[in-house]
Amino acid sequence: DGGITQSPKYLFRKEGQNVTLSCEQNLNHDAMYWYRQDPGQGLRLIYYSQIVNDFQKGDIAEGYSVSREKKESFPLTVTSAQKNPTAFYLCASSPPGLRGNQPQHFGDGTRLSIL
Amino acid sequence: GENVEQHPSTLSVQEGDSAVIKCTYSDSASNYFPWYKQELGKRPQLIIDIRSNVGEKKDQRIAVTLNKTAKHFSLHITETQPEDSAVYFCAASLSGGYNKLIFGAGTRLAVHP
Repeated sequence: DGGITQSPKYLFRKEGQNVTLSCEQNLNHDAMYWYRQDPGQGLRLIYYSQIVNDFQKGDIAEGYSVSREKKESFPLTVTSAQKNPTAFYLCASSPPGLRGNQPQHFGDGTRLSIL
Repeated sequence: GENVEQHPSTLSVQEGDSAVIKCTYSDSASNYFPWYKQELGKRPQLIIDIRSNVGEKKDQRIAVTLNKTAKHFSLHITETQPEDSAVYFCAASLSGGYNKLIFGAGTRLAVHP
């Protein structure tokens, strides 16, 4: 979906370093999400945000942080506390609507590796 | 906790055959069930979805069926083509959370010419 832009496409992290993954959408969607995908596995929810200045932990939030200062942007920081950060990170957004009834649209992802 | 089980994990078919992928969910309040296709290294793309007030939905060669009583839903692909080769994920919405989805582990489909 061309309306969700993730950057960078590839990212390398050194030991003890925090890195931030960018996610921008121009779809005017209220909700945004971050998922982690490990090889051969499904998507696991890290954080999600329903509206600006609000976000909730997902299933695997430890070692990650987010902010939602603008509707269009939902950056994810992978902190040094995340000991196994190597994965494919996907950002998604969804329009407002009935609870649990709206499709999520994904960005192209960021592949994070440890140096 | 809530989960979605997806089977099989891999599926190999000959071009022109049908493919069926099945998912079972645990949250009886789930009311939305999307299916995504993910090609290697790319984003998941929504291919079809179904809501709990419908038992079946079809879009050309793709169909999804939902059995709320048994809490399972299936993806059916007919007349498979090599370009259907990808990983397919099912998902189910979670009650009590705004548009939260829980995903199955995925099925790697290979369509051989």
